Amino acid sequence: QKEVEQNSGPLSVPEGAIASLNCTYSDRGSQSFFWYRQYSGKSPELIMSIYSNGDKEDGRFTAQLNKASQYVSLLIRDSQPSDSATYLCAVRAAGNKLTFGGGTRVLVKP
Amino acid sequence: GAVVSQHPSRVICKSGTSVKIECRSLDFQATTMFWYRQFPKQSLMLMATSNEGSKATYEQGVEKDKFLINHASLTLSTLTVTSAHPEDSSFYICSAQAGLRPYEQYFGPGTRLTVT
Repeated sequence: QKEVEQNSGPLSVPEGAIASLNCTYSDRGSQSFFWYRQYSGKSPELIMSIYSNGDKEDGRFTAQLNKASQYVSLLIRDSQPSDSATYLCAVRAAGNKLTFGGGTRVLVKP
Repeated sequence: GAVVSQHPSRVICKSGTSVKIECRSLDFQATTMFWYRQFPKQSLMLMATSNEGSKATYEQGVEKDKFLINHASLTLSTLTVTSAHPEDSSFYICSAQAGLRPYEQYFGPGTRLTVT
């Protein structure tokens, strides 16, 4: 079982709709959770960080964390073609290292 | 977000030569930096964790004598690929960790290395 799991996609979303991405993790000691966006050929860009149960909103993005169920999700509202990218979920347990999921590819169609 | 630079962005070198990649945190001090490698259509692979003033910690399977890491200051870490071979061709990305919770990692733009 992978430590951090994501559906590889592609997740196809009409422009203007909500994209919903999920991520599950295996280490119950995980403390901090991150969503990165990576465009093809580019490096990852931090979108959101969350470490408390519940929702955290930043612009069109909302991260949701449920430690009891060991999942973290990302909602993208009013999806735009420029949101088409691979979204990486990353989890930090004890120590400094991040464990990345394989990423979910999102395609926003005009 | 914080800014991390990486230089060079792209390098082509001949087999057997060494290549040095610099990673700088421009607007914050990073006690910890990380080096990743990413092959096409694959996820990030952590190579090593670099702490300022101490030896880097390498992940299993990463040759420390081949990938030399130096973290001489709170804003600069370097990765030197020694005696490069074509199989070392990859996208090398560094990240720098902020000092406050939740200790976010910010990535540099990456260096695309091609060994001919």
